[in-house]
Amino acid sequence: DSGVTQTPKHLITATGQRVTLRCSPRSGDLSVYWYQQSLDQGLQFLIQYYNGEERAKGNILERFSAQQFPDLHSELNLSSLELGDSALYFCASSEGVGRNEQFFGPGTRLTVL
Amino acid sequence: AQSVTQLDSHVSVSEGTPVLLRCNYSSSYSPSLFWYVQHPNKGLQLLLKYTSAATLVKGINGFEAEFKKSETSFHLTKPSAHMSDAAEYFCVVSTAGRRALTFGSGTRLQVQP
Repeated sequence: DSGVTQTPKHLITATGQRVTLRCSPRSGDLSVYWYQQSLDQGLQFLIQYYNGEERAKGNILERFSAQQFPDLHSELNLSSLELGDSALYFCASSEGVGRNEQFFGPGTRLTVL
Repeated sequence: AQSVTQLDSHVSVSEGTPVLLRCNYSSSYSPSLFWYVQHPNKGLQLLLKYTSAATLVKGINGFEAEFKKSETSFHLTKPSAHMSDAAEYFCVVSTAGRRALTFGSGTRLQVQP
């Protein structure tokens, strides 16, 4: 158990809908990262927050957004969902913003029908 | 820029025989290197990390990796495979200028009885 929690575990929804994925980092970690894992793209970095502020952006679509709240939990919002958004979404946390190792949550499996 | 190449998408070994998972990296700066393991339907677990200390790094579950700067390699080894080692393994690089991790495409390890 990494100490990072994600909810829900599974999410099934329809095209065009909007969903919110939630992540709670390990106690004491200020950085939260979101990753998408799909069969064709592998593991891709989406976005990072540090202590409430966006710090880095990866291959995140404009339809996706995230935020980190004062209690350090983070939410990833996915809107206007398409079939291709079906994937495993991981949250990870680390102490800082440098080269610290990241600890991953169990993931949320999103299925868009 | 940073990148990671995992040279084998699939490795099959017999239980009790050595494991070698190969990884080459490219990085403009001194990298931090990690190996993560992902068991089926699970999140990613950190096996070991290299952050410019000893070049031979020992991790959990008997795994170790050697950082070879001249070969830009960070291969993962284990003297004797166990059935429970069957999983997907990811070689990962991080450099000071980038806050996110860059993942290799993964190597699926199969352990035959």
